[in-house]
Amino acid sequence: AQKVTQAQTEISVVEKEDVTLDCVYETRDTTYYLFWYKQPPSGELVFLIRRNSFDEQNEISGRYSWNFQKSTSSFNFTITASQVVDSAVYFCALSEARGGYQKVTFGIGTKLQVIP
Amino acid sequence: DGGITQSPKYLFRKEGQNVTLSCEQNLNHDAMYWYRQDPGQGLRLIYYSQIVNDFQKGDIAEGYSVSREKKESFPLTVTSAQKNPTAFYLCASSPRGDSSYNEQFFGPGTRLTVL
Repeated sequence: AQKVTQAQTEISVVEKEDVTLDCVYETRDTTYYLFWYKQPPSGELVFLIRRNSFDEQNEISGRYSWNFQKSTSSFNFTITASQVVDSAVYFCALSEARGGYQKVTFGIGTKLQVIP
Repeated sequence: DGGITQSPKYLFRKEGQNVTLSCEQNLNHDAMYWYRQDPGQGLRLIYYSQIVNDFQKGDIAEGYSVSREKKESFPLTVTSAQKNPTAFYLCASSPRGDSSYNEQFFGPGTRLTVL
């Protein structure tokens, strides 16, 4: 069965600190995609990144970086030099094809608070 | 601007009443989804639709119903059979529902409170 674990339910950091959000997943499939979404206080989830199961290259986008390690089934997200605008709930998600349908399993989310 | 709209933003319901949450998209996406979000439980899938006139139950469909008569619209009805309906409801869409590749686009959500 699919499962996504985000062990950190809430994290608080002081502005400009670096912070890493952990995500561990379980799947028996060899082909799948991993996603990170951001949910600001307004409520709407915003897509941040997609990674397929065959691409273990790390990715950097500005202050954001992602580390995908298939050997440990982890897809961690690091924010460098955090800012107050980064305060949000962040969701990791696992996506697989199931009988012609897309099956997405979300983690419970990590609430990040960046303190000025 | 393309996107997903949900209405109303806040909804109050008395026990025993059915209510319908609206979800409209103008992204020309084939697939649409309804999720329920509760504190500490992440997003749970209620129903999804891959194409018009087709929909499937998700993980927590009991007490809910949907229709997909138009590509743009995927309304969710919360019936009186749903025992604990107070939650935040999110609608989403994706270009296709048959590929694990697609990210989902989300609406702003509807917060339902049962009085």
